[in-house]
Amino acid sequence: EVQVVESGGDLVKSGGSLRLSCAVSGLSFSHAWMSWVRQAPGKGLEWVARIKGGGGTTDYPAPVNGRFTISRDDSKNMVYLQMNSLQIEDTAVYYCTHIIVDPGAAGHWGQGTLVTVSS
Amino acid sequence: QSVLTQPPSASGTPGQRVTISCSGGSSNIGSNTVDWYQQFPGTAPKLLIYKNNQRPSGVPDRFSGSKSGTSASLAISGLQSEDEADYYCAAWDGSLNGVVFGGGTKLTVL
Repeated sequence: EVQVVESGGDLVKSGGSLRLSCAVSGLSFSHAWMSWVRQAPGKGLEWVARIKGGGGTTDYPAPVNGRFTISRDDSKNMVYLQMNSLQIEDTAVYYCTHIIVDPGAAGHWGQGTLVTVSS
Repeated sequence: QSVLTQPPSASGTPGQRVTISCSGGSSNIGSNTVDWYQQFPGTAPKLLIYKNNQRPSGVPDRFSGSKSGTSASLAISGLQSEDEADYYCAAWDGSLNGVVFGGGTKLTVL
């Protein structure tokens, strides 16, 4: 059974930084494509970042490009999201997901971790 | 403003067939496949349909997906009370180089 568990969510001030972690088990991790998807309170889903397996090519949408960095440690089956220059609009539950079919079908999701950015 | 357009709400009675639409453009739905997610309040989304019409293991065949041109649809037949949830469509957008989501449709079972 595939398990995805996020951690690291916290309350942070605007302009600050935070690193989220995602532990993955139950699959061949080094080949797995992973992504982060967020959901602001009461709002819809927003894709945040993707990292491919077997090389680690990354992709980001415009709102976070240059501020967020997704990375992976295949030796630990971990994915990370480094978030810098955080803004109030980055407040959301952040989900780590395993992409089961490229380019983005997320077949396994974690429970989410809450990031709150205050002024 | 979401890149993909969904109706904010939909409803039906038990046993009925309901469809939820998702409209996009040439850079997303028009040239890539569509995925659908189901989300209950306070829980993580769940993949319902991928590659336009494929169901992951465990998803009932009451759920089906289709795509035509720059639009896609999710159909739920034999509607049940436990289908009451939010539904999101998603697709890769070649111009934005990323996944784009619809704004979500809240399905109410009357």
